[in-house]
Amino acid sequence: EAGVTQFPSHSVIEKGQTVTLRCDPISGHDNLYWYRRVMGKEIKFLLHFVKESKQDESGMPNNRFLAERTGGTYSTLKVQPAELEDSGVYFCASSQVTGGADTQYFGPGTRLTVL
Amino acid sequence: AQSVTQPDIHITVSEGASLELRCNYSYGATPYLFWYVQSPGQGLQLLLKYFSGDTLVQGIKGFEAEFKRSQSSFNLRKPSVHWSDAAEYFCAVGAQVTGGGNKLTFGTGTQLKVEL
Repeated sequence: EAGVTQFPSHSVIEKGQTVTLRCDPISGHDNLYWYRRVMGKEIKFLLHFVKESKQDESGMPNNRFLAERTGGTYSTLKVQPAELEDSGVYFCASSQVTGGADTQYFGPGTRLTVL
Repeated sequence: AQSVTQPDIHITVSEGASLELRCNYSYGATPYLFWYVQSPGQGLQLLLKYFSGDTLVQGIKGFEAEFKRSQSSFNLRKPSVHWSDAAEYFCAVGAQVTGGGNKLTFGTGTQLKVEL
Protein backbone atom coordinates (compact mmCIF):
# COMPACT_ATOMS: atom_id res chain seq x y z
CA GLU A 1 0.00 0.00 0.00
CA ALA A 2 1.40 3.37 -1.01
CA GLY A 3 1.95 5.89 1.72
CA VAL A 4 1.22 9.59 1.73
CA THR A 5 3.09 11.32 -1.07
CA GLN A 6 3.93 14.99 -1.43
CA PHE A 7 5.19 17.00 -4.36
CA PRO A 8 7.55 18.70 -4.77
CA SER A 9 10.06 17.60 -2.17
CA HIS A 10 11.79 20.98 -2.33
CA SER A 11 10.77 24.34 -3.69
CA VAL A 12 12.81 27.52 -3.80
CA ILE A 13 10.95 30.66 -4.86
CA GLU A 14 11.34 34.40 -4.70
CA LYS A 15 9.29 36.54 -2.37
CA GLY A 16 6.05 37.51 -4.07
CA GLN A 17 5.85 34.41 -6.24
CA THR A 18 3.20 31.71 -6.02
CA VAL A 19 3.80 28.11 -5.02
CA THR A 20 1.44 25.15 -4.99
CA LEU A 21 2.14 22.10 -2.89
CA ARG A 22 0.40 18.82 -3.53
CA CYS A 23 -0.49 15.93 -1.24
CA ASP A 24 -1.83 12.52 -2.20
CA PRO A 25 -3.22 10.71 0.84
CA ILE A 26 -3.36 6.99 1.42
CA SER A 27 -6.18 5.51 -0.64
CA GLY A 28 -9.39 5.32 1.35
CA HIS A 29 -8.36 7.91 3.93
CA ASP A 30 -11.05 10.55 4.22
CA ASN A 31 -9.16 12.67 6.76
CA LEU A 32 -6.42 14.86 5.35
CA TYR A 33 -4.33 17.29 7.38
CA TRP A 34 -1.73 19.91 6.62
CA TYR A 35 0.95 20.88 9.14
CA ARG A 36 3.95 23.17 8.95
CA ARG A 37 7.28 23.36 10.71
CA VAL A 38 9.06 26.65 10.60
CA MET A 39 12.78 26.29 11.35
CA GLY A 40 13.48 25.94 15.04
CA LYS A 41 9.84 25.74 15.98
CA GLU A 42 7.36 22.98 16.59
CA ILE A 43 5.20 21.33 13.95
CA LYS A 44 1.91 23.22 13.81
CA PHE A 45 -1.51 22.29 12.54
CA LEU A 46 -2.78 24.24 9.54
CA LEU A 47 -6.05 22.63 8.52
CA HIS A 48 -8.14 19.49 8.29
CA PHE A 49 -10.32 18.08 5.51
CA VAL A 50 -12.89 15.34 5.73
CA LYS A 51 -13.31 14.24 2.15
CA GLU A 52 -13.62 17.50 0.19
CA SER A 53 -14.92 19.57 3.12
CA LYS A 54 -12.76 21.80 5.28
CA GLN A 55 -13.51 20.91 8.89
CA ASP A 56 -11.02 23.14 10.62
CA GLU A 57 -8.74 25.76 9.12
CA SER A 58 -7.96 27.53 12.36
CA GLY A 59 -4.23 27.09 11.87
CA MET A 60 -3.97 28.80 8.50
CA PRO A 61 -1.68 31.81 9.00
CA ASN A 62 -3.52 34.28 6.77
CA ASN A 63 -5.46 34.63 3.54
CA ARG A 64 -2.36 34.16 1.41
CA PHE A 65 -2.81 30.44 2.03
CA LEU A 66 -5.49 28.51 0.16
CA ALA A 67 -6.09 24.79 0.51
CA GLU A 68 -8.33 22.66 -1.64
CA ARG A 69 -9.17 19.02 -1.88
CA THR A 70 -10.62 18.11 -5.21
CA GLY A 71 -13.18 15.31 -5.14
CA GLY A 72 -11.99 14.25 -1.72
CA THR A 73 -8.78 12.80 -3.12
CA TYR A 74 -5.55 14.79 -3.40
CA SER A 75 -5.11 18.19 -1.82
CA THR A 76 -3.24 21.31 -2.81
CA LEU A 77 -1.93 24.13 -0.67
CA LYS A 78 -1.26 27.36 -2.51
CA VAL A 79 0.72 30.24 -1.10
CA GLN A 80 0.16 33.51 -2.97
CA PRO A 81 2.11 35.73 -2.73
CA ALA A 82 4.84 34.00 -0.75
CA GLU A 83 6.64 35.87 2.03
CA LEU A 84 9.96 35.11 3.72
CA GLU A 85 8.26 33.84 6.86
CA ASP A 86 6.47 31.14 4.87
CA SER A 87 9.71 29.17 4.60
CA GLY A 88 9.57 25.83 6.34
CA VAL A 89 8.60 22.21 5.88
CA TYR A 90 4.98 21.51 5.00
CA PHE A 91 3.70 18.10 6.01
CA CYS A 92 0.58 16.36 4.89
CA ALA A 93 -1.02 13.52 6.83
CA SER A 94 -4.01 11.29 6.28
CA SER A 95 -6.12 8.93 8.34
CA GLN A 96 -9.24 6.85 8.22
CA VAL A 97 -12.31 8.23 9.93
CA THR A 98 -12.67 6.25 13.15
CA GLY A 99 -14.72 8.54 15.38
CA GLY A 100 -11.78 10.36 16.90
CA ALA A 101 -9.04 7.89 17.71
CA ASP A 102 -7.46 8.06 14.31
CA THR A 103 -3.83 7.47 13.51
CA GLN A 104 -2.30 9.98 11.15
CA TYR A 105 0.27 8.85 8.60
CA PHE A 106 2.59 11.55 7.38
CA GLY A 107 4.17 12.25 4.06
CA PRO A 108 7.83 13.15 3.62
CA GLY A 109 7.11 16.86 3.57
CA THR A 110 7.82 19.69 1.15
CA ARG A 111 10.65 21.99 2.10
CA LEU A 112 9.76 25.52 0.98
CA THR A 113 12.39 28.22 0.85
CA VAL A 114 11.33 31.78 0.08
CA LEU A 115 14.19 34.10 -0.86
CA ALA B 1 -5.92 24.35 24.65
CA GLN B 2 -3.59 21.39 24.67
CA SER B 3 0.19 21.66 24.81
CA VAL B 4 3.20 19.36 24.77
CA THR B 5 6.57 19.91 26.38
CA GLN B 6 9.70 18.03 25.45
CA PRO B 7 12.26 19.40 27.91
CA ASP B 8 15.33 17.99 26.17
CA ILE B 9 16.23 19.61 22.86
CA HIS B 10 19.32 17.47 22.35
CA ILE B 11 20.34 14.14 23.88
CA THR B 12 23.51 12.13 23.25
CA VAL B 13 23.79 8.49 24.23
CA SER B 14 26.28 5.75 23.52
CA GLU B 15 25.26 2.87 21.32
CA GLY B 16 23.91 0.07 23.51
CA ALA B 17 22.93 2.40 26.32
CA SER B 18 19.35 2.84 27.46
CA LEU B 19 17.28 5.82 26.39
CA GLU B 20 14.43 7.81 27.88
CA LEU B 21 12.92 10.82 26.12
CA ARG B 22 10.61 12.94 28.21
CA CYS B 23 7.22 14.25 27.22
CA ASN B 24 4.71 16.15 29.32
CA TYR B 25 1.33 17.19 28.02
CA SER B 26 -1.52 19.43 29.03
CA TYR B 27 -5.02 18.44 27.96
CA GLY B 28 -8.39 18.67 29.66
CA ALA B 29 -9.71 15.24 28.73
CA THR B 30 -8.28 11.78 28.23
CA PRO B 31 -5.52 12.36 25.71
CA TYR B 32 -4.58 10.53 22.59
CA LEU B 33 -0.79 10.41 22.69
CA PHE B 34 1.74 9.71 19.99
CA TRP B 35 5.46 9.47 19.38
CA TYR B 36 6.80 10.11 15.90
CA VAL B 37 10.36 9.92 14.61
CA GLN B 38 11.95 11.81 11.76
CA SER B 39 15.20 10.44 10.39
CA PRO B 40 17.40 12.68 8.26
CA GLY B 41 15.78 13.26 4.87
CA GLN B 42 12.69 11.28 5.82
CA GLY B 43 9.14 12.09 6.80
CA LEU B 44 7.49 11.53 10.16
CA GLN B 45 7.11 7.89 11.08
CA LEU B 46 4.74 6.73 13.81
CA LEU B 47 6.56 4.88 16.58
CA LEU B 48 3.65 4.19 18.90
CA LYS B 49 0.36 5.55 20.18
CA TYR B 50 -1.84 5.49 23.26
CA PHE B 51 -5.61 5.76 23.06
CA SER B 52 -6.81 3.80 26.08
CA GLY B 53 -6.24 0.62 28.04
CA ASP B 54 -2.82 -0.67 29.05
CA THR B 55 -0.69 2.32 29.98
CA LEU B 56 2.53 0.66 28.75
CA VAL B 57 2.54 0.78 24.99
CA GLN B 58 4.85 -1.13 22.70
CA GLY B 59 5.92 0.32 19.39
CA ILE B 60 8.14 -0.38 16.45
CA LYS B 61 11.92 -0.64 16.53
CA GLY B 62 11.93 -1.81 20.15
CA PHE B 63 10.49 1.39 21.60
CA GLU B 64 7.93 1.61 24.37
CA ALA B 65 6.19 4.43 26.21
CA GLU B 66 4.30 4.66 29.45
CA PHE B 67 1.27 6.88 30.01
CA LYS B 68 1.21 8.29 33.53
CA ARG B 69 -1.93 10.32 34.08
CA SER B 70 -0.86 11.56 37.52
CA GLN B 71 2.29 13.06 36.03
CA SER B 72 0.78 14.08 32.67
CA SER B 73 3.67 12.28 31.03
CA PHE B 74 4.24 9.93 28.13
CA ASN B 75 7.95 9.16 28.16
CA LEU B 76 9.57 7.13 25.41
CA ARG B 77 12.07 4.42 26.30
CA LYS B 78 14.37 1.95 24.62
CA PRO B 79 16.58 -0.48 26.55
CA SER B 80 19.47 -0.51 24.07
CA VAL B 81 19.99 2.20 21.47
CA HIS B 82 21.31 1.45 17.99
CA TRP B 83 23.25 3.90 15.84
CA SER B 84 20.34 3.93 13.40
CA ASP B 85 18.11 5.44 16.11
CA ALA B 86 19.80 8.81 15.64
CA ALA B 87 16.92 11.05 14.58
CA GLU B 88 14.52 13.68 15.84
CA TYR B 89 11.69 12.48 18.05
CA PHE B 90 8.35 14.22 18.45
CA CYS B 91 5.71 13.71 21.08
CA ALA B 92 2.17 14.75 20.17
CA VAL B 93 -1.25 14.94 21.79
CA GLY B 94 -4.41 14.57 19.75
CA ALA B 95 -7.62 16.49 20.32
CA GLN B 96 -10.76 15.10 18.80
CA VAL B 97 -12.37 17.47 16.33
CA THR B 98 -15.58 17.74 14.34
CA GLY B 99 -15.87 15.16 11.61
CA GLY B 100 -14.06 12.43 13.49
CA GLY B 101 -10.60 13.78 13.11
CA ASN B 102 -7.83 14.38 15.56
CA LYS B 103 -5.85 17.63 15.59
CA LEU B 104 -2.28 16.99 16.73
CA THR B 105 -0.27 19.36 18.89
CA PHE B 106 3.44 18.61 18.81
CA GLY B 107 6.31 19.23 21.13
CA THR B 108 9.39 20.99 19.83
CA GLY B 109 11.20 17.70 19.30
CA THR B 110 14.26 16.01 20.81
CA GLN B 111 17.30 15.48 18.61
CA LEU B 112 18.99 12.19 19.48
CA LYS B 113 22.64 11.64 18.72
CA VAL B 114 24.16 8.19 19.13
CA GLU B 115 27.87 7.84 19.78
CA LEU B 116 29.55 4.69 18.54
